Amino acid sequence: RKEVEQDPGPFNVPEGATVAFNCTYSNSASQSFFWYRQDCRKEPKLLMSVYSSGNEDGRFTAQLNRASQYISLLIRDSKLSDSATYLCVVNRNTGNQFYFGTGTSLTVIP
Amino acid sequence: NAGVTQTPKFQVLKTGQSMTLQCAQDMNHEYMSWYRQDPGMGLRLIHYSVGAGITDQGEVPNGYNVSRSTTEDFPLRLLSAAPSQTSVYFCASSYGSRGSTYEQYFGPGTRLTVT
Repeated sequence: RKEVEQDPGPFNVPEGATVAFNCTYSNSASQSFFWYRQDCRKEPKLLMSVYSSGNEDGRFTAQLNRASQYISLLIRDSKLSDSATYLCVVNRNTGNQFYFGTGTSLTVIP
Repeated sequence: NAGVTQTPKFQVLKTGQSMTLQCAQDMNHEYMSWYRQDPGMGLRLIHYSVGAGITDQGEVPNGYNVSRSTTEDFPLRLLSAAPSQTSVYFCASSYGSRGSTYEQYFGPGTRLTVT
């Protein structure tokens, strides 16, 4: 079983829409959780860390459900510039081993 | 700060050739990693280092060697290139301490083709 699983999409949504991505992780020892954004042919960049109590950064909201071992990302009022691949990442804090999902592709349509 | 730099950006090798992918960071990060990214597979960890002189294997280490003689540099060596090593390679660095994990900063990647 993969460490991190994501629906690859693609998600095609109109501007202004709300879209949600989910991600599941297999190892209950996972301690740190992140969402990264990757534009086409570019390196991944941190979008936001995910905290146990949930956290919000502008139009983006991340939630963690440890009991069900899933992480979610909600994007409100989608912009054309949100078009990218969103990577779910977990770490067990036992070293430097980060585990990446395969990514969910989002295209925001005018 | 330049952040994480990688060279070369593109490389074409013939089967059996060897080469070294360079990675350097100027943020004084202890942790550095090498990943490969293939379609449908996500990023997979090749090797990582938690400090100068310390390296360890990741998920897919076969066919690759690393060394960490300084905090700044973490080169990845392909011993005898194979077509299966055609991929995009990313180097990343982060702060780190036992029990805490911080965001990773990625280099721009090296696109490697092995023919």
